[in-house]
Amino acid sequence: QSVLTQPPSVSAAPGQKVTISCSGGSSNIGNNFVSWYQQLPGTAPKLLFYENNKRPSGIPDRFSASKSGTSATLGITGLQPGDEADYYCVAWDDTLNGAMFGGGTQLTVL
Amino acid sequence: QVQLVQSGAEVKKPGASVKVSCKASGFTFSSYPIYWVRQAPGQRLECMGYINVAKGYTLFSQKFQGRLIITRDTSASTAYMELSSLISEDTGVYYCATWDGRFDTFATWGQGTVVAVSS
Repeated sequence: QSVLTQPPSVSAAPGQKVTISCSGGSSNIGNNFVSWYQQLPGTAPKLLFYENNKRPSGIPDRFSASKSGTSATLGITGLQPGDEADYYCVAWDDTLNGAMFGGGTQLTVL
Repeated sequence: QVQLVQSGAEVKKPGASVKVSCKASGFTFSSYPIYWVRQAPGQRLECMGYINVAKGYTLFSQKFQGRLIITRDTSASTAYMELSSLISEDTGVYYCATWDGRFDTFATWGQGTVVAVSS
């Protein structure tokens, strides 16, 4: 089963900026919305963005998201130790007729 | 408030089956499909399948075809996931989540159920 492709890991120092990419295809990202989730160890995923770039209430504006064509990007500025987590992109896939996760990206704040 | 509450941890022997429940409250149960998502230790989240609560049909990932049953009891606002012929690689945390098709997002998550498969 195909997945949305994310880098396995990214890292940056506190206060710095990091971006996480999510690459898909025409049947998923290219034709549907992307959402992003943060998963802290031992907890259920938490919604960061829906409809490509809409932030639920309570999500700091240090977090940003965008989509272009068949790829999406999550950005985090002013990194904090509490941002250390796994980050996942999700999109509906028209071929599978179901939602699919990216492979996940582990963020380390050095 | 809107929530999904899952049943407790399970320990099973290889070859056995496990059934996990997911009780919804705070919203109309039939409004959203319910997904089951698995996370093996140190691994990524993966969709196992889902049930259209209103109509009752299901769709499964090919990986779990033949071993997975997803059902719902609308009178109890509860969805169920049953996985059979368990192997050690089925060890992990199993989550239920509602899918909001208006926004293409998993809107609400259960707290997760740990399933351990060990002889």
